[in-house]
Amino acid sequence: DQQVKQNSPSLSVQEGRISILNCDYTNSMFDYFLWYKKYPAEGPTFLISISSIKDKNEDGRFTVFLNKSAKHLSLHIVPSQPGDSAVYFCAALPYTGANNLFFGTGTRLTVIP
Amino acid sequence: DAGVIQSPRHEVTEMGQEVTLRCKPISGHNSLFWYRQTMMRGLELLIYFNNNVPIDDSGMPEDRFSAKMPNASFSTLKIQPSEPRDSAVYFCASSLIGTSSYEQYFGPGTRLTVT
Repeated sequence: DQQVKQNSPSLSVQEGRISILNCDYTNSMFDYFLWYKKYPAEGPTFLISISSIKDKNEDGRFTVFLNKSAKHLSLHIVPSQPGDSAVYFCAALPYTGANNLFFGTGTRLTVIP
Repeated sequence: DAGVIQSPRHEVTEMGQEVTLRCKPISGHNSLFWYRQTMMRGLELLIYFNNNVPIDDSGMPEDRFSAKMPNASFSTLKIQPSEPRDSAVYFCASSLIGTSSYEQYFGPGTRLTVT
């Protein structure tokens, strides 16, 4: 029973266009959300996060949107670059004060030059 | 900063053999996590420690799996006996409890192949 779901295993986008990666969760108690990026043969690295009290957080080309009523978050990358090609995982903190994360299954993004 | 260190990077073993994966967390971090990555389940938390104490091992798939953290700078994940279905990439991550970012720092992983 996956509590954090990424229903699109892969996504291809043309360089310069917007990439939108989606994530759904089942537990309304989840308090904090993170996105990680993973290149082959490397560990995941932190990309951007958002607290449940916000609906948007922006960092350069990366923006995360949170829709609590829909239990949905998305990561927007604008403009997409070939170096963004990687697997992206969303993760959720189960409650305030916890330090373990629930991860999704990942979405492989390919940015085509 | 050396980051999280894992060894070995690759392990190939035969079914029934004991496998030990090792992790050195970032100095000063007080939480350590072991994950397994599979296509079906993504990043699956196996166990985590706070201040060297196991907090939640509900993700450990079977009694064949065990983990220890004898001190703040070292942890092991052991599989005995190993089976082909244990083949996966195993990640160790560490973090600092009490920070507002909840960010975990991952090692490069150990790719385990059990034949």
